[in-house]
Amino acid sequence: EDQVTQSPEALRLQEGESSSLNCSYTVSGLRGLFWYRQDPGKGPEFLFTLYSAGEEKEKERLKATLTKKESFLHITAPKPEDSATYLCAVHLLRGGDKIIFGKGTRLHILP
Amino acid sequence: GAVVSQHPSWVICKSGTSVKIECRSLDFQATTMFWYRQFPKQSLMLMATSNEGSKATYEQGVEKDKFLINHASLTLSTLTVTSAHPEDSSFYICSASGTGGHLDTQYFGPGTRLTVL
Repeated sequence: EDQVTQSPEALRLQEGESSSLNCSYTVSGLRGLFWYRQDPGKGPEFLFTLYSAGEEKEKERLKATLTKKESFLHITAPKPEDSATYLCAVHLLRGGDKIIFGKGTRLHILP
Repeated sequence: GAVVSQHPSWVICKSGTSVKIECRSLDFQATTMFWYRQFPKQSLMLMATSNEGSKATYEQGVEKDKFLINHASLTLSTLTVTSAHPEDSSFYICSASGTGGHLDTQYFGPGTRLTVL
């Protein structure tokens, strides 16, 4: 069965304290892996798409990496405005355009 | 680019009434649109996938007659919750993918909060 697991469920960091969020996946075939940010009461905001192991993408304080089994979202020197839920989703080779979401990591950055 | 809008952003209705939610891709042609619902502190649950001009494909457990989806054009999809009941109260989010951007990426709308009294 295709599965996406994110850890930790929640993470509290001090401002400036770097850390990483994990997304591990077990799928029959990966077409792509997405990272989204979701603020309370809003729709997910697209951050990155990764397609192959070894690929890395960066945007401001965020960097996403991908291996054959997992992806990491590294947050460097976070600020309070980085507080949000970060969602990982995988796009399968089969199943058309459907993507499977993890449950997310709720990140809270303390000032 | 790749902006998706939803209307309304929130709606309150009485039990038994129907509610229509619109999802529009503003700057690209959405060959495929998706409808999700999300309960508090839960992840997104896919309800259905629709391609322009075709019938929607519903996920297991989602009632086709209750959640009517129409994808009449490459920029508009609608979700109608028929005979809504309090248990239908949720956050409904649409997404779209297609030409003019990352072809495989889904771009999400801001969501619609439905409260059924």
